[in-house]
Amino acid sequence: AQTVTQSQPEMSVQEAETVTLSCTYDTSESDYYLFWYKQPPSRQMILVIRQEAYKQQNATENRFSVNFQKAAKSFSLKISDSQLGDAAMYFCAYRTSNYGGSQGNLIFGKGTKLSVKP
Amino acid sequence: ETGVTQTPRHLVMGMTNKKSLKCEQHLGHNAMYWYKQSAKKPLELMFVYNFKEQTENNSVPSRFSPECPNSSHLFLHLHTLQPEDSALYLCASSLGTVATNEKLFFGSGTQLSVL
Repeated sequence: AQTVTQSQPEMSVQEAETVTLSCTYDTSESDYYLFWYKQPPSRQMILVIRQEAYKQQNATENRFSVNFQKAAKSFSLKISDSQLGDAAMYFCAYRTSNYGGSQGNLIFGKGTKLSVKP
Repeated sequence: ETGVTQTPRHLVMGMTNKKSLKCEQHLGHNAMYWYKQSAKKPLELMFVYNFKEQTENNSVPSRFSPECPNSSHLFLHLHTLQPEDSALYLCASSLGTVATNEKLFFGSGTQLSVL
């Protein structure tokens, strides 16, 4: 069975600085999808970034980028130029590419609470 | 605002009560999901509906009863719950259910407390 581990329960960053959130996963599959979701105090889970395992190039979305190390099964999120609005819980998630699995069958980590200091 | 609306935002109920959670989306999506988010535990998928038909039930106790009258609405009927069922219940939707990198849209959840 696949598992997702986020080893940092809490992280803190100074506004305008860069922070990296860690995520490791375990799977025997070669093709899959990885996601980072943000959950602010409003509680709504928002997709930050996604990565297809077959793509070697790391995904980027504006100030958010990932460091995808397939062999190491590592998928870290880098937030550059941190803003106060980035303060939230961040969840790493895994999904199989197996067409027998549903869209919503994400395996989530326990999350990292990110604080941004002004 | 992602287009997925959940009501109520907060709910307190006794173990003998019957209540319902509501989820609504007008994004034209065909698939809807219920998730449970407990304190200090990973988010767990409970049910999946595709074109109003339930396609997944992840061993959820029968005291949780989902209903999907149409592709835009999803309910979770609750009865004789236990205190350990206290959690944030999140609804999500997507265009389809086939496992791809398609985006899930989440609501803001119902924070449920069972006394």
